[in-house]
Amino acid sequence: AQSVTQLDSQVPVFEEAPVELRCNYSSSVSVYLFWYVQYPNQGLQLLLKYLSGSTLVKGINGFEAEFNKSQTSFHLRKPSVHISDTAEYFCAVTPGYSSASKIIFGSGTRLSIRP
Amino acid sequence: DGGITQSPKYLFRKEGQNVTLSCEQNLNHDAMYWYRQDPGQGLRLIYYSQIVNDFQKGDIAEGYSVSREKKESFPLTVTSAQKNPTAFYLCASSIDNRANYGYTFGSGTRLTVV
Repeated sequence: AQSVTQLDSQVPVFEEAPVELRCNYSSSVSVYLFWYVQYPNQGLQLLLKYLSGSTLVKGINGFEAEFNKSQTSFHLRKPSVHISDTAEYFCAVTPGYSSASKIIFGSGTRLSIRP
Repeated sequence: DGGITQSPKYLFRKEGQNVTLSCEQNLNHDAMYWYRQDPGQGLRLIYYSQIVNDFQKGDIAEGYSVSREKKESFPLTVTSAQKNPTAFYLCASSIDNRANYGYTFGSGTRLTVV
C-alpha cells in the first residue's frame, strides 16, 4: 500500500521569498506523484505530476518539484512566492503501471504569504 | 469547457434529514469519486465508481449512499445515519480506473447541520 506524509501542516513565508513544501511517500512499487493546490472554498487543481523521465517537473504558476527515488521524496518549490499563492497544497501518490488504482492524498500544507 | 459541476455550493441539513449532493461531469470520464474534507484531515474517500452501474465503498462509507445510473452523474446522499456530516464534500473524476492522469475536481459543496 502507498502512503504520503506532508511534513509541515503550515508554512509561513514572506512575499518574494523562496518556498519548499516537503512531501515523502512510502511504496513498495513504482509510483506516480502529484501536487494539487486548493484555494479557499474551492476544489483541488492539479499543479504538476511526475510519471516518468526527468526527475525535475515543472508545473503551473511557476512551481516545480523534484522526484528523489532514494529519499522517497517529491518536494515542491517556488523561487519567489506571491500573495496569490496563499492556499493549501496537497501531495498525492498512486501506484504506477496498475490496471486499477486510486490516488492517495497527504494531509495538506497550508501556505500563508506575508507582505 | 468540460468540467465537473457540483451543486449546491452550500447546503444546510436538519437533524434526521437525508440530503443529496449533485455531481455532474461532461468530460466523458469513466471513473468518479466522492471525498470528504475536514480541517487538518486532508481528503478521505467516501465512495468511488469505475463504471456505470457499479460503485465501491471507500474508507468512510458509513452513513452515505451513492448511485451511478449515468456516466455523467454520481450523486451522493448523506443519510441520517451519518452522525457528523458537517464538512466540505468534493467530487472528482478520472479518465479511467487508472489514476495516471490525475483527477479533475469539482468546486465542492459545503454541508452544515443546523
